[in-house]
Amino acid sequence: GQNIDQPTEMTATEGAIVQINCTYQTSGFNGLFWYQQHAGEAPTFLSYNVLDGLEEKGRFSSFLSRSKGYSYLLLKELQMKDSASYLCAVSDSNYQLIWGAGTKLIIKP
Amino acid sequence: IAGITQAPTSQILAAGRRMTLRCTQDMRHNAMYWYRQDLGLGLRLIHYSNTAGTTGKGEVPDGYSVSRANTDDFPLTLASAVPSQTSVYFCASSHGENTGELFFGEGSRLTVL
Repeated sequence: GQNIDQPTEMTATEGAIVQINCTYQTSGFNGLFWYQQHAGEAPTFLSYNVLDGLEEKGRFSSFLSRSKGYSYLLLKELQMKDSASYLCAVSDSNYQLIWGAGTKLIIKP
Repeated sequence: IAGITQAPTSQILAAGRRMTLRCTQDMRHNAMYWYRQDLGLGLRLIHYSNTAGTTGKGEVPDGYSVSRANTDDFPLTLASAVPSQTSVYFCASSHGENTGELFFGEGSRLTVL
């Protein structure tokens, strides 16, 4: 079966750096996506990786290793507004998105 | 403001009743999707449409139907609601059918008693 694993919850301190991991097992691979979802709101697109390596976008970076079935989202200079759930999703061989359950990130002052 | 509009935002429904969740987008996106989101689970695809006039089944289609009469509208119907359909429903759209960059509506919280 297809599976996306990510930690349920993480806690970090304002101003610090946090890394949210995602491992996947899917039938085929056409890209990995990270979304941010604030409580009670819609998910919003953060990043897309299809080749191995690091993609940087401001305070957020996303890394992919296809051979290891592994990705991480790195958030730097954490702000209180970064408190949210972060969803990892993989596009499989049929271009269907398989979603992880999300990681709830709690930022403490 | 361009985007996706869902209605209603929240609804409590008696089991056995029929319910239609509305979804309208003004971005002229070809592909549209309906997901449900339940605590502890990832988003699960119910139905999708790659273009007006076509629809397809997702991972959890049973008990739901959709139609895509035009580009902008993609309603989701529960013919006879059951308590297991209590969930938050998200409508989404994308430029093309093979992209994972989705634009989501604000969600419809449905409670079936």
